[in-house]
Amino acid sequence: GAGVSQTPSNKVTEKGKYVELRCDPISGHTALYWYRQSLGQGPEFLIYFQGTGAADDSGLPNDRFFAVRPEGSVSTLKIQRTERGDSAVYLCASSSVPTTEAFFGQGTRLTVV
Amino acid sequence: DAKTTQPNSMESNEEEPVHLPCNHSTISGTDYIHWYRQLPSQGPEYVIHGLTSNVNNRMASLAIAEDRKSSTLILHRATLRDAAVYYCILRTDSWGKLQFGAGTQVVVTP
Repeated sequence: GAGVSQTPSNKVTEKGKYVELRCDPISGHTALYWYRQSLGQGPEFLIYFQGTGAADDSGLPNDRFFAVRPEGSVSTLKIQRTERGDSAVYLCASSSVPTTEAFFGQGTRLTVV
Repeated sequence: DAKTTQPNSMESNEEEPVHLPCNHSTISGTDYIHWYRQLPSQGPEYVIHGLTSNVNNRMASLAIAEDRKSSTLILHRATLRDAAVYYCILRTDSWGKLQFGAGTQVVVTP
């Protein structure tokens, strides 16, 4: 595809449930980032992958959040035991090398009810 | 990480230039200055970046102070499509985490 694709675009889940959010980066991009954005705020960094490995996961808020990128392309953000405070737009971005332009997807809007 | 300071909002008339300031007094020698913008209901979009020299591209110009403690993003002729939140971000050259602040909300009036 031409850009970063995130699925689903919207997800409503019940408190306590498990969710997976998927990110398909631009083909060939080795760097992949996850952010989350609450209403009225700037995106907040969660985790950064370089290839298959997590180069920096310092932004993950707690151990309910986990992300993988097993083959160095598609990434999945996993949230266990969701809480209402997890409601936000989750953004994924990719770039070809760390310091060049990052391309963002449209995001997944997660609502925990 | 070095921080940036931006005004909360700015207003401009259509087809007039917009100058968006950013202060980054604690910038280090290896920090690049990046600007992204976010239109409503979309992910952020890269605008421009620079290190020391002024930069121009099809979207905007970036003017960097000689001491690098501040910079200005210039939209030469604002259109209604330029209404967005603009983020000024410092990024090291070692790896690429982007630290977003609150940004500047640009309002363009016809």
